[in-house]
Amino acid sequence: EDQVTQSPEALRLQEGESSSLNCSYTVSGLRGLFWYRQDPGKGPEFLFTLYSAGEEKEKERLKATLTKKESFLHITAPKPEDSATYLCAVQEGNTGGFKTIFGAGTRLFVKA
Amino acid sequence: GAVVSQHPSRVICKSGTSVKIECRSLDFQATTMFWYRQFPKQSLMLMATSNEGSKATYEQGVEKDKFLINHASLTLSTLTVTSAHPEDSSFYICSARAAGTGNQPQHFGDGTRLSIL
Repeated sequence: EDQVTQSPEALRLQEGESSSLNCSYTVSGLRGLFWYRQDPGKGPEFLFTLYSAGEEKEKERLKATLTKKESFLHITAPKPEDSATYLCAVQEGNTGGFKTIFGAGTRLFVKA
Repeated sequence: GAVVSQHPSRVICKSGTSVKIECRSLDFQATTMFWYRQFPKQSLMLMATSNEGSKATYEQGVEKDKFLINHASLTLSTLTVTSAHPEDSSFYICSARAAGTGNQPQHFGDGTRLSIL
């Protein structure tokens, strides 16, 4: 069964304390892995797409990496404004509809 | 680019009312749009997938007569919650995926907070 598991569920950091969020997946025929940021009361905001193992993408303090089994979202020297829920989603390619499976998210709190 | 507009952002209405939510892709054509429901501190629950010009595909457990979806053009999909009751109160979010090879990301609207009194 296709699954996406994110860990930890919640992460509390001090400003400047770098860390990583994990997204483990089990899908047949990965077509793409997506990272989103969601602020309370808002829709998810697209961050990155990763298509193949070894690929990396960066945006400001965020860096996403991908292996055959998991993806990491590295946050370097976070600031309070990075506080949000980060969602990982995987698009599988074995069904014609390219189903996307979302993880439950990691809630990140960055304290000044 | 890739902006999705969802309207209204908040609705408060009486039980028994039908409520329509619009989802528009503003700067791209979306062959596929998705409707999600999100409960507090939980992830997205897919309700249905909407393809332009054809009937929506509903997930198991979602009543298609309760949640009417229309995707009449490449930039607009609507969700109508018919005869809404308090248990339908939730945060509804739409997303759109651009036409292309299929492995494009979904882009989300800002959601609609529906409160049924």
